[in-house]
Amino acid sequence: DTGVSQNPRHKITKRGQNVTFRCDPISEHNRLYWYRQTLGQGPEFLTYFQNEAQLEKSRLLSDRFSAERPKGSFSTLEIQRTEQGDSAMYLCASSLPQDRVNEQYFGPGTRLTVT
Amino acid sequence: AQKITQTQPGMFVQEKEAVTLDCTYDTSDPSYGLFWYKQPSSGEMIFLIYQGSYDQQNATEGRYSLNFQKARKSANLVISASQLGDSAMYFCAMREPGGATNKLIFGTGTLLAVQP
Repeated sequence: DTGVSQNPRHKITKRGQNVTFRCDPISEHNRLYWYRQTLGQGPEFLTYFQNEAQLEKSRLLSDRFSAERPKGSFSTLEIQRTEQGDSAMYLCASSLPQDRVNEQYFGPGTRLTVT
Repeated sequence: AQKITQTQPGMFVQEKEAVTLDCTYDTSDPSYGLFWYKQPSSGEMIFLIYQGSYDQQNATEGRYSLNFQKARKSANLVISASQLGDSAMYFCAMREPGGATNKLIFGTGTLLAVQP
């Protein structure tokens, strides 16, 4: 399978704990995006990487959130001191900049539940 | 600010019939791209169709077509010959105009249920 993969698929954690999610994009894609989707809503942009550089962060990304893409390949999203409001689906997507459409290919998402 | 509006929270359609899912958008930038994605219960977003603002013809991809009315700022998705497997959430999205990241701005989605 050469699509975007995300791990874990599901994560249940207690409030106050730290969690980390991983995204492996399609290998030749140098653009990587994180989105968050809450129940009944469309995905909302969190952050964007071009290769290893994090070029944009949404205001939704509070200080408790940090994302990295150390070698321009996989990316991690860490949430520190989780809150119940962090419960959501976290989606990763990747794309090629040369494509006219710049279609973003999405992974299956990580569903986070904070209890 | 750019915005996508989907006014139909849910839609029903009989198998083999056509259905139209509505989408309106708001931007002052003349160059933009519009997308439709399907999200089954498994959660993955599946790309369906794309329309660029300068494209002369309405986009089509198999059973999917996009009714693009630029003056009305609408980009409705038409699914012909509905199948049971089409039951899913459908999201309209716009690539952020003028931005360097090409991030997507999504609507709230429409839940489509195909009935046998």
